[in-house]
Amino acid sequence: AQTVTQSQPEMSVQEAETVTLSCTYDTSESNYYLFWYKQPPSRQMILVIRQEAYKQQNATENRFSVNFQKAAKSFSLKISDSQLGDTAMYFCAFMKQGSEKLVFGKGTKLTVNP
Amino acid sequence: DGGITQSPKYLFRKEGQNVTLSCEQNLNHDAMYWYRQDPGQGLRLIYYSQIVNDFQKGDIAEGYSVSREKKESFPLTVTSAQKNPTAFYLCASSISRDAPTEAFFGQGTRLTVV
Repeated sequence: AQTVTQSQPEMSVQEAETVTLSCTYDTSESNYYLFWYKQPPSRQMILVIRQEAYKQQNATENRFSVNFQKAAKSFSLKISDSQLGDTAMYFCAFMKQGSEKLVFGKGTKLTVNP
Repeated sequence: DGGITQSPKYLFRKEGQNVTLSCEQNLNHDAMYWYRQDPGQGLRLIYYSQIVNDFQKGDIAEGYSVSREKKESFPLTVTSAQKNPTAFYLCASSISRDAPTEAFFGQGTRLTVV
């Protein structure tokens, strides 16, 4: 079974600075997808970024980028120029190709301080 | 606007009662999911459905039941057999299993046993 580990239960960063959230996963599959979801205080889950395992290029969405290391099974999220609105729980998630299940990590609570 | 609607936002249940959580989507998505969120536990899959009149158990299906009579609706019943039902419940949908783009989430239902 696949597992997703987020080793940082809580993190904080100053506004405008950069922060990196860690995620590792365990799988024997070669084709899969990785996701970062954001859950602000409203509790609405929002997709931040997605990475296909067959793509070597790291995904980027504006201030959000990932460092995908397939051999190391690592999928970290970098947030640049942090904003107060980035304060949220961040969940890393895994889905193997052809599956119907998203497997989530336990989350990292990020606080952006003014 | 397209999206997923969960109702009610807050729900209180007495011991021994069954309660039903509503989830409706107008995104024309084939796949729908129910997740349970507990503090420090991330999201765990309860049930999922890929097509009308068909659904599958997730990782923690005991004490729960679902139906999928219409494409847009996937209600979850929390039965009296669920020993610890107090949690935050999230419904999600995606286009289909074979096209694992992002999952869209509702705003959740907070269930409390009183």
